[in-house]
Amino acid sequence: DIQMTQSPSFLSASVGERVTLSCRASQNINKYLDWYQQKLGEAPKLLIYNTNNLHTGIPSRFSGSGSGTDYTLTISSLQPEDVATYFCLQRNSWPYTFGAGTKLELK
Amino acid sequence: EVQLVESGGGLVKPGSSLKLSCVASGFTFSSYGMHWIRQAPKKGLEWIALIYYDSSNKYYADSVKGRFTISRDNSKNTLYLEMNSLRSEDTAMYYCALGGYWGQGVMVTVSS
Repeated sequence: DIQMTQSPSFLSASVGERVTLSCRASQNINKYLDWYQQKLGEAPKLLIYNTNNLHTGIPSRFSGSGSGTDYTLTISSLQPEDVATYFCLQRNSWPYTFGAGTKLELK
Repeated sequence: EVQLVESGGGLVKPGSSLKLSCVASGFTFSSYGMHWIRQAPKKGLEWIALIYYDSSNKYYADSVKGRFTISRDNSKNTLYLEMNSLRSEDTAMYYCALGGYWGQGVMVTVSS
């Protein structure tokens, strides 16, 4: 199985700050990498699919990049409503696997 | 608008069975593969099963292989997850998903 490692596990940032979350795969996943946001008590919500494609209705302050084994989610200007846990997901091969998540809090 | 509504969860004893359902609307259900994902309390996410649009292929996570069965009824726009020999570690919120669209989930608790 492909292992997905997210870093950092916890991140504290200020409103308006640029935030970068990382996800590393144990092997090449050919850009089949999605990012999900999960707020407390809610189902995860897709933000980015296939590395850098913004899902419908997602604000443009979210963006993704990467290739091979290393991928990044960037929030250009952190907003209070972005407090959540962020998960990456690889869909290159079965079984699909998630990272353990990055919990993002406001400083 | 894509809508996925899960049902069938509850509290069951170890070793028992349960069948989850997911009713889909807002898209052509018979044209898409569907998934089940679960999340144990305060834990991460685990993708557990995938079924092709025509049921021709099914894939399972090792943790549920041989105990869980994914199926679908395209005439009823419904996805199923039959869970047998349930264990305490199967306690989780179970979500059905169509790609990036997820239901709100249904809770399954396995406890004596």
